[in-house]
Amino acid sequence: KNEVEQSPQNLTAQEGEFITINCSYSVGISALHWLQQHPGGGIVSLFMLSSGKKKHGRLIATINIQEKHSSLHITASHPRDSAVYICAVTSGSARQLTFGSGTQLTVLP
Amino acid sequence: DAGVIQSPRHEVTEMGQEVTLRCKPISGHNSLFWYRQTMMRGLELLIYFNNNVPIDDSGMPEDRFSAKMPNASFSTLKIQPSEPRDSAVYFCASSFVGGHDGYTFGSGTRLTVV
Repeated sequence: KNEVEQSPQNLTAQEGEFITINCSYSVGISALHWLQQHPGGGIVSLFMLSSGKKKHGRLIATINIQEKHSSLHITASHPRDSAVYICAVTSGSARQLTFGSGTQLTVLP
Repeated sequence: DAGVIQSPRHEVTEMGQEVTLRCKPISGHNSLFWYRQTMMRGLELLIYFNNNVPIDDSGMPEDRFSAKMPNASFSTLKIQPSEPRDSAVYFCASSFVGGHDGYTFGSGTRLTVV
């Protein structure tokens, strides 16, 4: 079993839809990260969180430490949101990221 | 700040050749990471440095891979000799230990070994 699991693996939505991507982890963590990667592109850090909720524009990230679960929400989705979204965690004093396998999001116009 | 700078962006080399990837982290960041991304295995840590000292190199595949960080503003990842299975995108990332910001990734180096 992977330490970080994401669902769904692939997601297709219509423009304007509310989108949720889920991440579950099996280890104690110091922080959880949501990353975005466009096709052929680099990786952008969207959020780092260890509790509660963070919001940036149309993106919202939440985490439930007791349930070892995080969600990334996109409101009013747009075709430019099409990308791979990756959940990653850091554990204990270790600084390196352990990655989920990513969710490929396609938003159709 | 220009962000994390990696070079080259693309590298095509023949099997057996030496390859050197370069990374300049964000000024003030004290941790630097080398990750590799492949279709089969996704993103994997190769090695990370804290204050220029290698902390965890358990992800380095074998003796053909080596990494150095001679100062706070420069790191190299070297593959010698290269093999076709080394073909991947190599990302460098930096962060500040104790900070509340996440990681900043470079644009990656796409390596193709033929």
